[in-house]
This record gives sequence, C-alpha cells and structure tokens, in this order.
Amino acid sequence: GQQVMQIPQYQHVQEGEDFTTYCNSSTTLSNIQWYKQRPGGHPVFLIQLVKSGEVKKQKRLTFQFGEAKKNSSLHITATQTTDVGTYFCAGHTRGDDKIIFGKGTRLHILP
Amino acid sequence: NAGVTQTPKFQVLKTGQSMTLQCAQDMNHEYMSWYRQDPGMGLRLIHYSVGAGITDQGEVPNGYNVSRSTTEDFPLRLLSAAPSQTSVYFCASRHTGTSTDTQYFGPGTRLTVL
Repeated sequence: GQQVMQIPQYQHVQEGEDFTTYCNSSTTLSNIQWYKQRPGGHPVFLIQLVKSGEVKKQKRLTFQFGEAKKNSSLHITATQTTDVGTYFCAGHTRGDDKIIFGKGTRLHILP
Repeated sequence: NAGVTQTPKFQVLKTGQSMTLQCAQDMNHEYMSWYRQDPGMGLRLIHYSVGAGITDQGEVPNGYNVSRSTTEDFPLRLLSAAPSQTSVYFCASRHTGTSTDTQYFGPGTRLTVL
C-alpha cells in the first residue's frame, strides 16, 4: 500500500537558523499537503501542492513538490520560537480517497 | 461555524469495554476520516467516508467500526477496548472534488485503556 516517509524525525535548531524536512512517497501522488501541529494541539493545514515541480511560499516557509510527484520538502528560513511543533506531510493518490500521513518532523528551537 | 467537533475530550476505559467517539462537522463536507496518533507513529488512518452511507477502511481499521448515516456525523466505535488502543484520536473532514482539499481536524479525544 501507499507509504509516506518523512525525515528527519527530530530537528533541533538555534533560533534564526534554517530548517528543512523531506517527504518521500512510495507511489506517485496527485497532490501533497503539509500540516503543522503545535504541542498538545491538532494538525492544522498549511498548504497543498498539486503540480509537478511546484514551489509555493508562505512568508518564511517554502514548499516544493518534486518533478516526479513522489517527493516534497518544507523549508523554513530564519526559524522563530513560534515555529515549534511537528510538521507533517500527507499524500493523496489519484483514484484513491485516502490521505496518508508521514510520521512527521518535530522541530525544537533553541533560544 | 463550529468546524469539526469531537466528544469526549478525555476518556478512560477498562479492557473489554465498548464506547463511541463522536465527531460532527457543520461545513457540509463530503469526506470525513478518523486518525489515531501515537508517539513516533504520526497519524494513521483508521476509517474514512466519502459521503453518507459510504465507509471504507484505512491503514489500521481492526477493532474499530464506523457508520455514516448523515453528512454531519461520523462516529467511531470501539467494540472491545484493548490497551493497544490507547491513543489520541482525531476526526477530520474536507470537501471532495474541488481543487483545494483542505482537511480540517477536530481537537481530538485522548483515550486511555487500562
């Protein structure tokens, strides 16, 4: 079945440093979504990427979708303490209604 | 709009007990789903539904039943609770057939099975 792998599992960065998490799918995706979950909270939708090679930006966050639509990345520039949380990618395969999540990357910010 | 609501927020069960986790949404979303979240395991799909009267299994369906009699509600039933079902359960909903599949999550139910 469809699998979505995400690395790294944990990341500690100094405030102001950049952060990147990577997502890889075992199958070609029709779209990929990114979510953020604050400690003790629920996942919150950030963005969806649909097109091959697509790049989207939200302020300090840059999201990329690979040309083969099997991998994606989230890059945060100049991290802030408000970026603390777990970032999940979630893949949606064409013809399948399921949305499968990666295990997430937990980001810790050191002041 | 209340969005996606879940009840209860916390629940403690004894092994073998049954219970129903409630989920409701007021956004007229066709698609609803249940996930469980365990440390280091991310979010795993239990069951999902693409509309009233239609349900299907996700990644980890064993030990759980669902039904979808209305668009708004998607309850999750634990038939005979086991300690392995201790987890945080999230319900989610979204539209289908649109260009933006934004999925909204409820606040979660934290379940402990003793």
